Amino acid sequence: SQWGEENLQALSIQEGEDVTMNCSYKTYTTVVHWYRQDSGRGPALIILIRSNEREKRSGRLRATLDTSSQSSSLSITAAQCEDTAVYFCATHRNSGGSNYKLTFGKGTLLTVTP
Amino acid sequence: GGIITQTPKFLIGQEGQKLTLKCQQNFNHDTMYWYRQDSGKGLRLIYYSITENDLQKGDLSEGYDASREKKSSFSLTVTSAQKNEMAVFLCASSAGWEGQNTLYFGAGTRLSVL
Repeated sequence: SQWGEENLQALSIQEGEDVTMNCSYKTYTTVVHWYRQDSGRGPALIILIRSNEREKRSGRLRATLDTSSQSSSLSITAAQCEDTAVYFCATHRNSGGSNYKLTFGKGTLLTVTP
Repeated sequence: GGIITQTPKFLIGQEGQKLTLKCQQNFNHDTMYWYRQDSGKGLRLIYYSITENDLQKGDLSEGYDASREKKSSFSLTVTSAQKNEMAVFLCASSAGWEGQNTLYFGAGTRLSVL
């Protein structure tokens, strides 16, 4: 699971397998973003799930959000080699007064092998 | 669509040197961000700007200055480069600071300090 001060996690699976990445957060958030970062590029949003949604799907991707346990997950069905990337969750939290900021977890390096 | 352009792509500096990184966006977005990414780690927020001429400190602002010269550009200055420092600096923009807004990232500036 992402968060805290731990290093980037690594997961390695074979093509065709399903995989789930977890994210836990410490402060209230109204939304969880999931970003994907390919090597040498900046992160790109793949799914955004709001606090009033328990589940969101996009193609082979499925995100869940449980506000009571302050956790979110991202699942990929039938993973393909091109799914190899680093996946980050990010939550929107109050940083003091009226300031809010998007705070990223440490990420999960997913490697999908043929 | 739009694009985030970061310059330079690679930056090699000397210990103690002041170094400036630049970011341009053509989305016409109000909010811009600077994140630092260390190898094997997540993204840490350095500075963000909700609108032109606004500056907000992130979690990692010490040792950095930022400037939002105009709506489309946001620059970051490393005030005194640290020896052996290596990191990727990512610029991003979003339509607003609210949590449901997607962040669009540039490809990054890779910094090495000799």
